Amino acid sequence: DTEVTQTPKHLVMGMTNKKSLKCEQHMGHRAMYWYKQKAKKPPELMFVYSYEKLSINESVPSRFSPECPNSSLLNLHLHALQPEDSALYLCASSHYRTVTSTDTQYFGPGTRLTVL
Amino acid sequence: KQEVTQIPAALSVPEGENLVLNCSFTDSAIYNLQWFRQDPGKGLTSLLLIQSSQREQTSGRLNASLDKSSGRSTLYIAASQPGDSATYLCAVGGSNYKLTFGKGTLLTVNP
Repeated sequence: DTEVTQTPKHLVMGMTNKKSLKCEQHMGHRAMYWYKQKAKKPPELMFVYSYEKLSINESVPSRFSPECPNSSLLNLHLHALQPEDSALYLCASSHYRTVTSTDTQYFGPGTRLTVL
Repeated sequence: KQEVTQIPAALSVPEGENLVLNCSFTDSAIYNLQWFRQDPGKGLTSLLLIQSSQREQTSGRLNASLDKSSGRSTLYIAASQPGDSATYLCAVGGSNYKLTFGKGTLLTVNP
């Protein structure tokens, strides 16, 4: 099973709302990622978690708050977003790189976020 | 800072043609290179991953090559089909697990 699931598929929120995006994988991957993708642009890395610890934060505004409660789950908490934050938010996972494993990143289908 | 360029930005071919997509990167100190496919409004599907020590990888009608010293990779698609129509993204992997993406090539295969 090489599936990464994301919920919800679509989300519309106002600038004062608090919402969360969820991502789940059951491939035993210990690295998980959040990406943001604007229309007709490539994905941009936001956060990397390795072994449930935040290892990379690409200078993302604090209105985005990631959380990794266990090795299978990754959340992205959203608060006080701006209309320019509207985008496709992609979650990915991979093995933590070792001699015997590859770190192919497997992506979920994404959450289409619209901020009004 | 790693920069990844993909040429062409768009490509339209008749069904059955063999085609090549190009990817170049500025910093040869890479860990790996991954090719993805993305359908409109969807997530990314991993096609092939080439480790920095490898020269090529094959999967079905797809063949990807890597020349790390010259900073280039190609994705070869044999006998193209309409179902191959999508955006193809090249991404370079660094030592910190960060993927740097190119802007993609939009491929249209016409029946």
